[in-house]
Amino acid sequence: NAGVTQTPKFRILKIGQSMTLQCAQDMNHNYMYWYRQDPGMGLKLIYYSVGAGITDKGEVPNGYNVSRSTTEDFPLRLELAAPSQTSVYFCASRGQDNQPQHFGDGTRLSIL
Amino acid sequence: SQKIEQNSEALNIQEGKTATLTCNYTNYSPAYLQWYRQDPGRGPVFLLLIRENEKEKRKERLKVTFDTTLKQSLFHITASQPADSATYLCASYNQGGKLIFGQGTELSVKP
Repeated sequence: NAGVTQTPKFRILKIGQSMTLQCAQDMNHNYMYWYRQDPGMGLKLIYYSVGAGITDKGEVPNGYNVSRSTTEDFPLRLELAAPSQTSVYFCASRGQDNQPQHFGDGTRLSIL
Repeated sequence: SQKIEQNSEALNIQEGKTATLTCNYTNYSPAYLQWYRQDPGRGPVFLLLIRENEKEKRKERLKVTFDTTLKQSLFHITASQPADSATYLCASYNQGGKLIFGQGTELSVKP
């Protein structure tokens, strides 16, 4: 049981490039989330999804897009990378109600 | 706005002592509080969940309290070990159904 898997683990982008961060979970969870974590700061919610075909904005959605075509996958897209998007990105999923979230090990993204 | 705040200063303690971490919430009344552990380079891992009517919950060397009057949760690690060194995050679901996190407290246990 792999849990939540994120790829890639590390990436360096140039300003203006685009990329997709991949997230997959094998726990059949309906709820999935993308967070960013800057050094010394807490987790900030970027986007979330309550099920396949349904997504919504979190606290800091600008510059990002998501899609949820299947229960398992929840990719995060950066269209025009900016230095302010340098961060560690975590994907998470959970089951029903107020259950705890299960996190992947993150993607460390640097934009130069 | 609804907030969760943790002491951002690192906590340094000696092995064998009890570590106590604080989580305060403002502008709402969560029904649950959750505590996570995060190691460097890893995602947060869930440790304990406490409901507002539980007051105290224990799991091995961990104990969490929930004081709705003080709007505070305390997280205790008894007989601390160097392996307990990590950042500990407090979190709860806000009224919009989103999990909000404190900024975390870094714990360092010295042998």
